[in-house]
Amino acid sequence: NAGVTQTPKFQVLKTGQSMTLQCAQDMNHEYMSWYRQDPGMGLRLIHYSVGAGITDQGEVPNGYNVSRSTTEDFPLRLLSAAPSQTSVYFCASSYSPGRRSYEQYFGPGTRLTVT
Amino acid sequence: AQSVTQLGSHVSVSEGALVLLRCNYSSSVPPYLFWYVQYPNQGLQLLLKYTSAATLVKGINGFEAEFKKSETSFHLTKPSAHMSDAAEYFCAVSLPMGGTSYGKLTFGQGTILTVHP
Repeated sequence: NAGVTQTPKFQVLKTGQSMTLQCAQDMNHEYMSWYRQDPGMGLRLIHYSVGAGITDQGEVPNGYNVSRSTTEDFPLRLLSAAPSQTSVYFCASSYSPGRRSYEQYFGPGTRLTVT
Repeated sequence: AQSVTQLGSHVSVSEGALVLLRCNYSSSVPPYLFWYVQYPNQGLQLLLKYTSAATLVKGINGFEAEFKKSETSFHLTKPSAHMSDAAEYFCAVSLPMGGTSYGKLTFGQGTILTVHP
């Protein structure tokens, strides 16, 4: 299993540009999430999905959009990039919390800089 | 809603000394609790988890944590620090079932562990 994969690893955008961060998992997990990591703030939840076709907002959803058309993929779209979105983005997946094997698996991250 | 507080953004120990990283949580129902480790420029790796079974949880690399409901704590310990333990450590809480927080991880701010020779 490849686990959770993310592309690209690094990206530089200009203010106002849009882009999509890709995330895929091959573990047949129901749950997928996007987090952003900023120094001294831990990881904050942007959006999450409990299954294909179902998404919901997390703690910091503004400026981001998601969709989940398949179990495997959960792309994150930046609609109009702003310098405040400079961060490291992590995708994670897991089985549902009711299962004993519940834990979130994280991808390697995408480091995004908005100038 | 749930929250996590990690006491101490930086902890420094000598090689061979006890490691103690503190985590306190707030939750309206019995939570699931996790410790993750992040090495520089890498993703997060699960160290250990508490999911309402044994209160003393053993994880990878010699780490363990004890769930104390009365103290709302889940401190991470390791008897003897190694240079390779230098990393950032995150405590996280999740509500196991039901409600709008179903399955969402809430992270603490992180503690950077430095190990001196």
